[in-house]
Amino acid sequence: SVLTQPPSASGTPGQRVTISCSGSSSNIGGNTVDWYQQFPGSAPKLLMHGNTQRPSGVPDRVSGSKSGTSASLAISGLQSEDEADYYCAAWDDSLNGLLFGGGTRLTVL
Amino acid sequence: QVQLQESGPGLVKASETLSLVCSVSGGSMNNYYWGWVRQPPGKGLEWIGYISHTGRTNYNFSLRSRVTISVDTSKNQVSLKVNSVTAADTAFYYCARDVAVPSHYFDSWGQGTLVTVSS
Repeated sequence: SVLTQPPSASGTPGQRVTISCSGSSSNIGGNTVDWYQQFPGSAPKLLMHGNTQRPSGVPDRVSGSKSGTSASLAISGLQSEDEADYYCAAWDDSLNGLLFGGGTRLTVL
Repeated sequence: QVQLQESGPGLVKASETLSLVCSVSGGSMNNYYWGWVRQPPGKGLEWIGYISHTGRTNYNFSLRSRVTISVDTSKNQVSLKVNSVTAADTAFYYCARDVAVPSHYFDSWGQGTLVTVSS
């Protein structure tokens, strides 16, 4: 994927975990980043949009940030129900299309 | 609250055309774009393309030659066609509402439908 995410991440309950998403000037560098959460067997769900905006219903222990050509999703106070796959997404001006990262599987130990 | 539901054949023969319909309920199609995203089993998400309620389209460059997305606002439906399918097109196909402004992101998703391409 043009947007690079670590394939896996893990943490224990209560910990803070961050998931990175690395891109380039044509995507993250010039556009906003969104994040989706997906549980096995279910459709993705919007978790964060516009780099830092939480949709209604997403707890404030979930936060997003962007700096240059990279973005991060942080989950604090980790809970077992956070165990899921997480995908970043951003528009790419060169491709004139939407890109998804390869996804990160978060495991709560 | 808007709801999206994909429907169509779950099995398509190689070289034929994959056709899916997304039915939208609980909200107007106006002022939104409507997109398709696919996910091969066990793999990541891939954007296929979008269409506005007025019919403006944009497709993933890698699929552009084989994909057509259309909209029928009178029926509250969005359609997807993928021509000349191969095993690589086997995937879960999701339709989703694209907010489009100020950026393209999906705030509502259908449950998805698995399409298997057989040889």
